[in-house]
Amino acid sequence: GAGVSQSPRYKVAKRGQDVALRCDPISGHVSLFWYQQALGQGPEFLTYFQNEAQLDKSGLPSDRFFAERPEGSVSTLKIQRTQQEDSAVYLCASSAATGFGTEAFFGQGTRLTVV
Amino acid sequence: KQEVTQIPAALSVPEGENLVLNCSFTDSAIYNLQWFRQDPGKGLTSLLLIQSSQREQTSGRLNASLDKSSGRSTLYIAASQPGDSATYLCAVEQTGANNLFFGTGTRLTVIP
Repeated sequence: GAGVSQSPRYKVAKRGQDVALRCDPISGHVSLFWYQQALGQGPEFLTYFQNEAQLDKSGLPSDRFFAERPEGSVSTLKIQRTQQEDSAVYLCASSAATGFGTEAFFGQGTRLTVV
Repeated sequence: KQEVTQIPAALSVPEGENLVLNCSFTDSAIYNLQWFRQDPGKGLTSLLLIQSSQREQTSGRLNASLDKSSGRSTLYIAASQPGDSATYLCAVEQTGANNLFFGTGTRLTVIP
């Protein structure tokens, strides 16, 4: 596609429910990133994939958060047993190369509200 | 850990004014600095990317400067328009890291 696509755009989950957020990166982009943006804050890094390999998951806030990219294209961020503090916008970004200094392109995000 | 700060947090100006947004970062070991625009309910749109070896980048009415040694960047917007109203975020890609470190943004309102 022309850009990074994320679905759903909005998700309301009851506390304790599991959720799965999807990211379709720009076709051919090697690198994929997930960020979490709380209200009024800048995005914070969660995890990074190079093709199907998850090279950095240092930003995942707890073991309830899990991300995968099994075929090196679409990625899913899963949150188990959601809690209110998980409410945020989850942003996905992709970039064409693996090297540093490559511009990243962001999707519109999924707004998760845990009630 | 890299800390990125943006000042002011919010700014309101009349249409036509020139304005400057400020960004500072604590660790000067960066590959690049990027300015983004974020509209309500939308993702991030990249405006300008400055490599660490560069001093500035220009795109239309936008000019971004980078002083790596002092840990500062500015985004200059000339002849502001109501359509420029958005939140502007700066982010640095730090040496040895796989991700961007973002500031908390400046919310800009341009009044017609």
